[in-house]
Amino acid sequence: KNEVEQSPQNLTAQEGEFITINCSYSVGISALHWLQQHPGGGIVSLFMLSSGKKKHGRLIATINIQEKHSSLHITASHPRDSAVYICVVSGGAQKLVFGQGTRLTINP
Amino acid sequence: DTAVSQTPKYLVTQMGNDKSIKCEQNLGHDTMYWYKQDSKKFLKIMFSYNNKELIINETVPNRFSPKSPDKAHLNLHINSLELGDSAVYFCASSRNLAGANNEQFFGPGTRLTVL
Repeated sequence: KNEVEQSPQNLTAQEGEFITINCSYSVGISALHWLQQHPGGGIVSLFMLSSGKKKHGRLIATINIQEKHSSLHITASHPRDSAVYICVVSGGAQKLVFGQGTRLTINP
Repeated sequence: DTAVSQTPKYLVTQMGNDKSIKCEQNLGHDTMYWYKQDSKKFLKIMFSYNNKELIINETVPNRFSPKSPDKAHLNLHINSLELGDSAVYFCASSRNLAGANNEQFFGPGTRLTVL
């Protein structure tokens, strides 16, 4: 079992739908990151959080430290949100553990 | 201005050759990283340098040798390239060590194809 598990692995939805991507981890962490990798390959950091909730535009990230779980939500999804979303946890001794990614496709 | 840049963007080479990928960041960050993304799109950290010193060295073949001439540069040299080295290699930087809750900025990636 991976130390960081994302679900679902693939998600296809219609434009306008509310999207949720989940990340569960089994290691102690100091922070959790959500990355977005565009179809062209570029990687962008969306959020870095260690507690609570953060919001950027239509994107919301939450984390529950006790349950070792984080969610990434996209409201009013749009085809340009189509990308791979990657959960990364940073733990002690500068350890970084990556989830396997969730491929999101938003159809018009 | 590009924050984290990598060169080349594409690299096609024969098995057995030695090649280098360069990375530069102009963000004033102390920490830089190399990642490998395989054909299954899984990202794995390879190395991390903080202020030119090696911090993380995951299990990679010793054919891979990172070199940091200064804290704005982290180059990756690969000896005796093998078919399995074909992947996309990403460089990234953060203000300091990732465990200190710092956002990472990624370069555009270098697609390496070994024939």
